[in-house]
Amino acid sequence: KAGVTQTPRYLIKTRGQQVTLSCSPISGHRSVSWYQQTPGQGLQFLFEYFSETQRNKGNFPGRFSGRQFSNSRSEMNVSTLELGDSALYLCASNGQGPNINTEAFFGQGTRLTVV
Amino acid sequence: AQSVTQLGSHVSVSEGALVLLRCNYSSSVPPYLFWYVQYPNQGLQLLLKYTTGATLVKGINGFEAEFKKSETSFHLTKPSAHMSDAAEYFCAVSDRGSGTYKYIFGTGTRLKVLA
Repeated sequence: KAGVTQTPRYLIKTRGQQVTLSCSPISGHRSVSWYQQTPGQGLQFLFEYFSETQRNKGNFPGRFSGRQFSNSRSEMNVSTLELGDSALYLCASNGQGPNINTEAFFGQGTRLTVV
Repeated sequence: AQSVTQLGSHVSVSEGALVLLRCNYSSSVPPYLFWYVQYPNQGLQLLLKYTTGATLVKGINGFEAEFKKSETSFHLTKPSAHMSDAAEYFCAVSDRGSGTYKYIFGTGTRLKVLA
């Protein structure tokens, strides 16, 4: 069974640009969550999508957005990049149903550097 | 609201010694608890989880954790450290109140294993 795939693995962008990151969950999983990991703030929840609907959102500005497609693949977009957006962005794939006691499976992450 | 506290951002042990990584949680409902490990520039890998049932949970690579409700703790242990255990470890609680797959992570403990 293939794991969670995130593309690209590394990105370098300039301040003010926008970026789109992609995540393909484990086959059959309907939930995709996104996290931002930085040395200062640790792992912070961005949002979760379940069957194409955003079910939960973290405390991030509106520049951070996401979507999920009918095949459960998800993208997140960051507009007007700031230096502070430099981070490892992790995608987590979860569950074949709404039962929330199952564990999340994480991708290897996308390392975004804003210069 | 749920929260997680990991005591000790850095822990060093000698190879062959006991590993003890501490995690305390705060939750208004019975929690779902997880330990994840992260190697450099990688995603998170699940070590073990507690949802219901037996309070002593065994995971991969010889790790185990005990859920202690009275102490609101979920400490991770391994009887004998191996060099390959050097990594960062995260304790997480599932935000059950949200009804979604949102995890709240501790700030992480970096484990160093000394030869």
